[in-house]
Amino acid sequence: GENVEQHPSTLSVQEGDSAVIKCTYSDSASNYFPWYKQELGKGPQLIIDIRSNVGEKKDQRIAVTLNKTAKHFSLHITETQPEDSAVYFCAASTDDKIIFGKGTRLHILP
Amino acid sequence: KAGVTQTPRYLIKTRGQQVTLSCSPISGHRSVSWYQQTPGQGLQFLFEYFSETQRNKGNFPGRFSGRQFSNSRSEMNVSTLELGDSALYLCASSPQTGRAEAFFGQGTRLTVV
Repeated sequence: GENVEQHPSTLSVQEGDSAVIKCTYSDSASNYFPWYKQELGKGPQLIIDIRSNVGEKKDQRIAVTLNKTAKHFSLHITETQPEDSAVYFCAASTDDKIIFGKGTRLHILP
Repeated sequence: KAGVTQTPRYLIKTRGQQVTLSCSPISGHRSVSWYQQTPGQGLQFLFEYFSETQRNKGNFPGRFSGRQFSNSRSEMNVSTLELGDSALYLCASSPQTGRAEAFFGQGTRLTVV
């Protein structure tokens, strides 16, 4: 069946460094790619998204890139801060359904 | 605008019992999806309801069921609870199916003992 693979499952970076999380998807009909951040005890929150007609989108320290040919998309966080520590989920959506990756636990080291 | 509200926040049930969880979506949203989240398994899709109709269903046994009311509020039911059903159950609401931002509630933490 259709799936979304997300890597790495755990990522530790020094505060101030950059973090990159990568996802690949299998359904070529996917046209919407959101990223969610889940903090402890809370539900996932949408932090940034990209649609298939765009290759890159940036919002302050967060950026997402999309390569539709390779079916890859990535989340980039620059100048990481302690509050960036959380679990991040990527997802790929068609008109009918959305499939999530298994998540990346990001640790920001002091 | 009020967010997605899930009740109750925490539940403890005994094996064999049944449980009903409730989700009130954002006003105006007609799509409600349910997910099971366990450590290391990410978000496992249970089902999606849109305008009171089940549109999609994940790969869960028939013990897991749901419904949606005319006001878009949704309930999910789990019968004959098993220890492995212990998880965080998340509800997400969207204005439409797919392609649209999903807004999650805080979840219901179910513990089966």
